[in-house]
Amino acid sequence: DGGITQSPKYLFRKEGQNVTLSCEQNLNHDAMYWYRQDPGQGLRLIYYSQIVNDFQKGDIAEGYSVSREKKESFPLTVTSAQKNPTAFYLCASSRDRGASGANVLTFGAGSRLTVL
Amino acid sequence: AQSVSQHNHHVILSEAASLELGCNYSYGGTVNLFWYVQYPGQHLQLLLKYFSGDPLVKGIKGFEAEFIKSKFSFNLRKPSVQWSDTAEYFCAHKLIFGAGTRLAVHP
Repeated sequence: DGGITQSPKYLFRKEGQNVTLSCEQNLNHDAMYWYRQDPGQGLRLIYYSQIVNDFQKGDIAEGYSVSREKKESFPLTVTSAQKNPTAFYLCASSRDRGASGANVLTFGAGSRLTVL
Repeated sequence: AQSVSQHNHHVILSEAASLELGCNYSYGGTVNLFWYVQYPGQHLQLLLKYFSGDPLVKGIKGFEAEFIKSKFSFNLRKPSVQWSDTAEYFCAHKLIFGAGTRLAVHP
């Protein structure tokens, strides 16, 4: 059953700690994306990767880091530099790697991060 | 910067009522417009998309959207909503999403 697996589903973190959210896809998609979802603000793009070992910043990349060492994996690290990290994080992938934006996104179930 | 605006944040309708959700996007070269839906407890999923051609696009579950180039709009419509349409709806242009509209349909 193909899809995107995000883990953990819920995560609690103390201020000042880094945390890494996992995203794995078995769809053989080239491109992967991280979005942050906040109430009333929709989805905001954090980072995206069109190909292994390459990624680009989205609109709100400050305080986040990513890696793309394998095609199927795109982990997101929320660093202590992120001033307001409590949010719902969504990972997505698309078959096409083009930067044109004509890519249909397949989403994971999300990870909810709460900073205590 | 590119942006997407959704006019209604919360919509409440009775079953069988007609639905129209507004979406406007800022111009950014080629047009790649999407409506995604998030049903309670489910993943975000594609409802319909428009890249070119017939400006009236039909999607799943009886939804349709009309692209009006002169108005930079891509409004979502459904003639008769059902309780199962209760969800959050997101308009997107390329990789930019709007704030979403929460639709509640009462029996």
